[in-house]
Amino acid sequence: QVQLVESGGGVVQPGRSLRLSCAASGFTFTSYGLHWVRQAPGKGLEWVAGISHDGGNKYYADSVKGRFTISRDNSKNTLYLQMNSLRAEDTAVYYCVKDNYYDSSAYQDYWGQGTLVTVSS
Amino acid sequence: DIQMTQSPSSLSASVGDRVTITCRASQGISKYLAWFQQKPGKAPKSLIYAASSLQSGVPSKFSGSGSGTDFTLTISSLQAEDSATYYCQQYKSYPLTFGGGTKVEIK
Repeated sequence: QVQLVESGGGVVQPGRSLRLSCAASGFTFTSYGLHWVRQAPGKGLEWVAGISHDGGNKYYADSVKGRFTISRDNSKNTLYLQMNSLRAEDTAVYYCVKDNYYDSSAYQDYWGQGTLVTVSS
Repeated sequence: DIQMTQSPSSLSASVGDRVTITCRASQGISKYLAWFQQKPGKAPKSLIYAASSLQSGVPSKFSGSGSGTDFTLTISSLQAEDSATYYCQQYKSYPLTFGGGTKVEIK
C-alpha cells in the first residue's frame, strides 16, 4: 500500500533553515509527481510546492518562492523540501502528497501523516 | 490564480440527512476538481476526483457533480463518522488552490 512518511519538522528560529523529507513506498516512485501542502494551526490547506516525476519541472506558491526548494532523489524514493529564511507564518503541519493520473491530468490522491514545523524565537 | 469558494463554511445536520456542499471556482476549470475529507488531527483523505469520480474504497454515499465553475459534494445519508471538514481543490493549473473548507457536524 502507498506510504508517505514525512520527517524533519521541529522548532526553528525565524530566519533559520530546515529540511523536510518524505520517504515513499508502495508505488513506483519514479512515475509520479509529488507535492508539499501545509496547514497552519486551525486553518485550511495551502499548496506549497510541486515537482514532476523526473524532477525536471518544479512549481512554487508565491508565498515561498525564492525561499523554499523542492527536490527529489529517485534513487532513494525520497522527496525533500529545503526551507530557508523561515518566518513565523511558515508555522504549519507540512504534508507530502502524491499525484495520480486521469484523463491526461494529475490529481492528488495519497497524503502522508504530516510533520509540524514551528517557527518561533 | 484560481480562487475556490466553498459554502457553507459550516453546517449541522442529523444522522440520515442528505447534505450538500457547494464549491465555486473563480474561472472555468472544466472537471479538474477534487474533494477531500479531513478529520481532526488527521491528514486529508481523497474522496472524489475529476469532479465526480469516486476514489477507490470511498463509500458510494459520497458523490460529486458539476463542471466549469460550479461543483457540489453530496453525502446521501449522513452518519456520525462523516463528521469532518471537507475541502474542494482545483488542479487545472498552478498554483493548486483549495476552498476554505466546510465543517460538518452531527446534531
